[in-house]
Amino acid sequence: DVVMTQSPLSLPVTLGQPASISCRSSQSLAYSDGISYLSWFHQRPGQSPRRLIHKASTRDSGVPDRFSGSGSGTYFTLKISRVEAEDVGIYYCMQGTHWPPITFGQGTRLEIK
Amino acid sequence: QVQLQESGPRLVKPSQTLSLTCTVPSDSFRSGDYCWSWVRQPPGKGLEWIGHIHESGRTSYNSSLESRVTMSFDASTNDFSLTLSFMTAADTGVYYCATGDSGSKIGHWGQGTLVTVSS
Repeated sequence: DVVMTQSPLSLPVTLGQPASISCRSSQSLAYSDGISYLSWFHQRPGQSPRRLIHKASTRDSGVPDRFSGSGSGTYFTLKISRVEAEDVGIYYCMQGTHWPPITFGQGTRLEIK
Repeated sequence: QVQLQESGPRLVKPSQTLSLTCTVPSDSFRSGDYCWSWVRQPPGKGLEWIGHIHESGRTSYNSSLESRVTMSFDASTNDFSLTLSFMTAADTGVYYCATGDSGSKIGHWGQGTLVTVSS
């Protein structure tokens, strides 16, 4: 199974400041088509996850442009250019390249300082 | 935006079988190269992929649950279902249905349903 390791696990951020979460995979996520099927999700308390980024760097429809994804191979990053109050919650990376199983990172809890 | 809705029992006794259904409204159903997944989340913990069924009917399960899981898809009703047998307290959690293209696998989620295993 592909192990997804996120860091940090807890991320206190001041409003208006940038934030960055990393996600490492135990194997390269590059599929035979050259695409890394790495997604980022945001889960607010009591809500279902919402996808922000897919294919490592493609922002989903309606996602603010302060969110960006980058990376390839085994190292990926989610960046928030300026954190807003609504960004609190848990962020998960997920790989869909090597399956079964599809695997998630442990989650990173973002909170406002 | 695909709107998914889980339905099924909220309380299951130990050793019983859980049956959940995910309904996709016909006006938001996407036909093509899609996977229909189940994901669960124990209280206060992270996300665990249970398995998925492709529109072709091909299934793929997490090996940790494979002996207890069955998924099916009904193209006539746009429903897909999950059965998980021999439930224990460790199976307590929120169960989500989700869907996405066959590349990224998961894009849209249901609101989730909390299932508690208790006698």
